[in-house]
Amino acid sequence: AQTVTQSQPEMSVQEAETVTLSCTYDTSENNYYLFWYKQPPSRQMILVIRQEAYKQQNATENRFSVNFQKAAKSFSLKISDSQLGDTAMYFCALRGGGATNKLIFGTGTLLAVQP
Amino acid sequence: DAGVIQSPRHEVTEMGQEVTLRCKPISGHNSLFWYRQTMMRGLELLIYFNNNVPIDDSGMPEDRFSAKMPNASFSTLKIQPSEPRDSAVYFCASSSRLVGRDFGPGTRLTVL
Repeated sequence: AQTVTQSQPEMSVQEAETVTLSCTYDTSENNYYLFWYKQPPSRQMILVIRQEAYKQQNATENRFSVNFQKAAKSFSLKISDSQLGDTAMYFCALRGGGATNKLIFGTGTLLAVQP
Repeated sequence: DAGVIQSPRHEVTEMGQEVTLRCKPISGHNSLFWYRQTMMRGLELLIYFNNNVPIDDSGMPEDRFSAKMPNASFSTLKIQPSEPRDSAVYFCASSSRLVGRDFGPGTRLTVL
């Protein structure tokens, strides 16, 4: 079975600082995909960043980057230069590489950016 | 592209009533997903379709829930009869194998 674990229910960071959100996962597959989604108060689920397991290079999208440790099954999200608009719930998600196409979510981390 | 479209955005109904949630996926996406989000259980996958065919409905809570996808541009999730414990935000999402999943804005359902 595939599982995703986010051990930080809530985090807080000062504006302009850097914060790292943790995620660990478990899967028996060798080829899979990992995602971070952001859910602001509007409830919209927004894809922040994705990582293919076969790629060793960590994905980066502007101020968002990941630290993908395949052997440790760890997939943390780093947000640099935090902005007030980054305040949201962040979900880590795992999708198997096979035909199943199911996306498994963690329980989320609520990030509050303080002015 | 308008993204995934869901309607209604909010629904308030009384216990025992039938509720129908609607979804229009992004054109060209061949997979469609229904999720439910609650404080207690987080995001749960209810059912998903590939090419309009239901692939996995193991997340559907019980027979009161049913989903259909009559064509590539439309899907419904029906609850009959509804119960207060069905109150949640229901998301529809679509994807193709080459891109990440796009979510709709969600339908907030309240069953009194």
